[in-house]
Amino acid sequence: KAGVTQTPRYLIKTRGQQVTLSCSPISGHRSVSWYQQTPGQGLQFLFEYFSETQRNKGNFPGRFSGRQFSNSRSEMNVSTLELGDSALYLCASSSTVTQETQYFGPGTRLLVL
Amino acid sequence: QQQVKQSPQSLIVQKGGISIINCAYENTAFDYFPWYQQFPGKGPALLIAIRPDVSEKKEGRFTISFNKSAKQFSLHIMDSQPGDSATYFCAASMVGNEKLTFGTGTRLTIIP
Repeated sequence: KAGVTQTPRYLIKTRGQQVTLSCSPISGHRSVSWYQQTPGQGLQFLFEYFSETQRNKGNFPGRFSGRQFSNSRSEMNVSTLELGDSALYLCASSSTVTQETQYFGPGTRLLVL
Repeated sequence: QQQVKQSPQSLIVQKGGISIINCAYENTAFDYFPWYQQFPGKGPALLIAIRPDVSEKKEGRFTISFNKSAKQFSLHIMDSQPGDSATYFCAASMVGNEKLTFGTGTRLTIIP
C-alpha cells in the first residue's frame, strides 16, 4: 500500500497570502488528522476529519480550516498568513476504528516571509 | 496547557547501551499512549503503544513501562544502535478520539 502523501512538499509564501495544502491518505483510511510542527511549540493538533465531517478541532484560530472529500483526500487552508505560521504541516491517516495507528505523511514545509 | 511532559530534551547514549525517555501526563482520561520516532525530513512513525491495562509492553528492543498511579510512562531502547538516532515523541489520546497530544520530543544520539 502506498503511504500518506502530501503536496506540495515545500512552499514559500508572503504575509497576508493564503495557502492550501493537500493530503492523500492510505487507501481505505477514512480518518485524516492535521498537525503543525514547530521547534517552539512541538507537534500540535489542528483538526481531524472523518467521512467528510470535522470530528475534532484543536486550539487554532479560524484562519486555519480544512475539508475532506468523498475519496477521503483532505485539504487544509490557512488564510491571511502570518510569520508564525511557518512550520511543518503533517497529515496523518488511520482506519475507521478510533485510536488505531496513525500513519503520518512526510509533511509540507511552509515558510512565510 | 501542556498535558504531556517529556524528558530529557536530548540524550546521548553509547552504542549497546540503554536509552530511557520519560513522559508524564495530567489528564486521567487519556487511555492510549503511543511512542513515535521521527527522522529528519520524515513524518513521525509509530514505534510502540500501550494502554493502561498493562504495565509493560515489549517489542524487540523497545519496551514501554507504564505506571498508572504515577501517571507516567517511559520508553526503553535496549542495545541502542546508531540507527536509533532520531527524535522520539511520546503521545496520549482519549477513548473515542483521534487527537494525539504530544510531548515535546527527545533528540536521541547514539555514539559508537
